[in-house]
Amino acid sequence: EPEVTQTPSHQVTQMGQEVILRCVPISNHLYFYWYRQILGQKVEFLVSFYNNEISEKSEIFDDQFSVERPDGSNFTLKIRSTKLEDSAMYFCASGGSVNEKLFFGSGTQLSVL
Amino acid sequence: GESVGLHLPTLSVQEGDNSIINCAYSNSASDYFIWYKQESGKGPQFIIDIRSNMDKRQGQRVTVLLNKTVKHLSLQIAATQPGDSAVYFCADTGRRALTFGSGTRLQVQP
Repeated sequence: EPEVTQTPSHQVTQMGQEVILRCVPISNHLYFYWYRQILGQKVEFLVSFYNNEISEKSEIFDDQFSVERPDGSNFTLKIRSTKLEDSAMYFCASGGSVNEKLFFGSGTQLSVL
Repeated sequence: GESVGLHLPTLSVQEGDNSIINCAYSNSASDYFIWYKQESGKGPQFIIDIRSNMDKRQGQRVTVLLNKTVKHLSLQIAATQPGDSAVYFCADTGRRALTFGSGTRLQVQP
């Protein structure tokens, strides 16, 4: 069964450093998403991406965040200058059509020290 | 404000019993709802979905009920098993992106 894969599974970084979280969505999907989940809290929407551009973003997704689909298979989330409060599990998701069910990866646990 | 939310943070049931997890939503424009299950250390896993033109949808051991009058949906799990222990989220598309509610942790007692 096709699945969304994310790397790395864990990322530890120093405050102020840049991190790039990587995702390989399901191959025939066109809609891509990043969500995050702070420990013990609900899953929060960050950004959606379609047709090589951001289609929607939340207030969490500020200027420190950016997304990119550098080739036909990868989808990345970059945080330019990490803050302590960026520590969370980051989930990538993809979908075949807009607002249909999403398939999630296993997440990248980001720890900012 | 939050578009969807769950009533109880934790639900404890005996193995073999039926479980009912509830969720309320506030946006009348929501027309598509999904239940996800999240096990520890994993991403949300799709369980079942329902569109607003339906009141009920059944899957394998799971049923989702939608009451548009009171903006409420529920997930029923028949014959709950230990493997059903997880956090359950409802999500809707009242906003453009899929938005999750707060989860209910289902604990299955042997």
